[in-house]
Amino acid sequence: DIQMTQSPSSLSASVGDRVTITCRASQSIGKFFNWYQQKPGKAPKLLIYAASSLQSGVPSRFSGSGSGTDFTLTINNLQLEDFATYYCQQSYFTPWTFGQGTRVEIK
Amino acid sequence: QVQLVQSGAEVKKPGASVKVSCKASGYTFSTYDIYWVRQATGQGLEWMGWLNPNSETTGYAQKFQDRVTMTRNTSINTVYMELSSLRSDDTAVYYCARGGSTYGLSAWGQGTLVTVSS
Repeated sequence: DIQMTQSPSSLSASVGDRVTITCRASQSIGKFFNWYQQKPGKAPKLLIYAASSLQSGVPSRFSGSGSGTDFTLTINNLQLEDFATYYCQQSYFTPWTFGQGTRVEIK
Repeated sequence: QVQLVQSGAEVKKPGASVKVSCKASGYTFSTYDIYWVRQATGQGLEWMGWLNPNSETTGYAQKFQDRVTMTRNTSINTVYMELSSLRSDDTAVYYCARGGSTYGLSAWGQGTLVTVSS
């Protein structure tokens, strides 16, 4: 199985900050890579697909980059509603695998 | 709008089976694969498998291969996930989601809590 390693596992940030989360795949996955946001008690929500494409309805302060094995999610001008857990996921090989999550907390 | 509505919470004893449903609406049912992902309390997301509603082709994670069955009923736009030989560590929220390999899991059900307890 392809292992997805996210970092950091948690971070504290303030409203207005720029936040960067990284994810590394154990082997090359091209751009078959997605980012999700999950809030407590809710289903995950797709933010970015194909590494850098913004899902419809997602604010433009979210952006993704990368290909191959290294990927980044950037949140510019962090808003209160962005405090959540973020997961990366590869969709190149089954079983699709997720990173362990990054919890973004209020500083 | 696209909606996936799942069946309600279940409590099962070890060794039993559970069948969770996922009813799709707001789009052409046959055109998107349905995936199942589970999440134990306080833990991360775990991919279980997928089903193509058009062909009923399925693919399962090796971990669940012997215990999971995914089926569909096209007349009511519903996909089912049945997990057998339940253990306490199967206690989790089970999600269905619509998607594909090139565009991720773009719509999710609300989740179904399955509790396995004697």
